[in-house]
Amino acid sequence: AQSVAQPEDQVNVAEGNPLTVKCTYSVSGNPYLFWYVQYPNRGLQFLLKYITGDNLVKGSYGFEAEFNKSQTSFHLKKPSALVSDSALYFCAVRDLGGPPPGGDYKLSFGAGTTVTVRA
Amino acid sequence: DAGVIQSPRHEVTEMGQEVTLRCKPISGHDYLFWYRQTMMRGLELLIYFNNNVPIDDSGMPEDRFSAKMPNASFSTLKIQPSEPRDSAVYFCASSLGGGVSFFGQGTRLTVV
Repeated sequence: AQSVAQPEDQVNVAEGNPLTVKCTYSVSGNPYLFWYVQYPNRGLQFLLKYITGDNLVKGSYGFEAEFNKSQTSFHLKKPSALVSDSALYFCAVRDLGGPPPGGDYKLSFGAGTTVTVRA
Repeated sequence: DAGVIQSPRHEVTEMGQEVTLRCKPISGHDYLFWYRQTMMRGLELLIYFNNNVPIDDSGMPEDRFSAKMPNASFSTLKIQPSEPRDSAVYFCASSLGGGVSFFGQGTRLTVV
């Protein structure tokens, strides 16, 4: 079974400081990993994904994430946070190794991390 | 493309009434997903379709919930009869080939 854990319910940082949102995953095969952001009363917006290749992936709005296979982690980072980055962030995983061939197409989401960036 | 379109955006209904939520996926996408979001349970996958065929409905909570996809451009999620515990935000998402899922704005359902 696939699962995602976001160990922090909330992350608070000052504007201009680096931002990190943590995510660990569990899959039986290779992971297909995603980060989404949700603003109040909106749907989820795609930020970035990892399936293969360079462990550091770059996404929208200056965000990046680092895939670490040995630690089964996929932490989201931004070097300098903005007040407008305040939102709810979700990590998600799809297991490419399970049945049917190529894995299941279901995404499992973490519980979400609320990011607050103070001016 | 206008993205995934859901209607209505808000729905308030009385317990016992039938509720129908609608979704138009992004043109050309072959996967469609229905999710429910609550504070207590987070984001839950209810059901997903591939090429209009239901693939996995294991997340559908009860027989009161049903979903259909009569064609590639339309899907419905129906709750009959509705109960107060069904109050949540329901999201529809679509993807191409199981890749990145694009979400609609959601339908906020309140059952009183």
